[in-house]
Amino acid sequence: QSALTQPASVSGSPGQSITISCTGTSSDVGGYNYVSWYQQHPGKAPKLMSYEVSNRPSGVSNRFSGSKSGNTASLTISGLQAEDEADYYCSSYRSGSTLEVFGTGTKVTVL
Amino acid sequence: EVQLVQSGAEVKKPGESLKISCKGSGYSFTTYWIGWVRQMPGKGLEWMGIIYPGDSDTRYSPSFQGQVTMSADKSIFTAYLQWSSLKASDTAMYYCARRLGGTTTPFDYWGQGTLVTVSS
Repeated sequence: QSALTQPASVSGSPGQSITISCTGTSSDVGGYNYVSWYQQHPGKAPKLMSYEVSNRPSGVSNRFSGSKSGNTASLTISGLQAEDEADYYCSSYRSGSTLEVFGTGTKVTVL
Repeated sequence: EVQLVQSGAEVKKPGESLKISCKGSGYSFTTYWIGWVRQMPGKGLEWMGIIYPGDSDTRYSPSFQGQVTMSADKSIFTAYLQWSSLKASDTAMYYCARRLGGTTTPFDYWGQGTLVTVSS
């Protein structure tokens, strides 16, 4: 089952904005508004940052915002901070027997 | 407070069986789907499947169908992931996580992970 495609790495300086992309197909990202984003610090469990494309769970900073256009979803981190350095994974509902699929993951580095 | 507490790290030999657990607390265990996610060393997250503890309805990813078995004992608020014959390639961190709502919703709470090492 093929994963959604994310860039391997994205970097930015403190205070800048960065955007992580997540590309799928019409069977997943493009066909449904069930895209989520997770943050994972080294040695820790993932943390939900955004769901249903642009909803933020309680307690997540409004510096994190999700969006989608066609078959590509995006997570934008504004006002980049050192604590944002982590791996980020998108996920999407996928029609058929797979049900859900994660992205390949993106390492965010704060310069 | 919602918590998912997983069983401890395991070291097994190829061919051995294994069952790891995930105990939920702080919420109605029987009314939220629980899922399992694999993370092989240095790799990304892989969606394995979900189980509804209320009636044990289970949905597997095709990649894991037949390779693992998910189960739940609602009387003790615990979900399980088991293997009948481990392979070296099963070496990974395994996370359980709770679904926010229905089958299309994300994982909102995660366990701390169980590291499974399979080596001869």
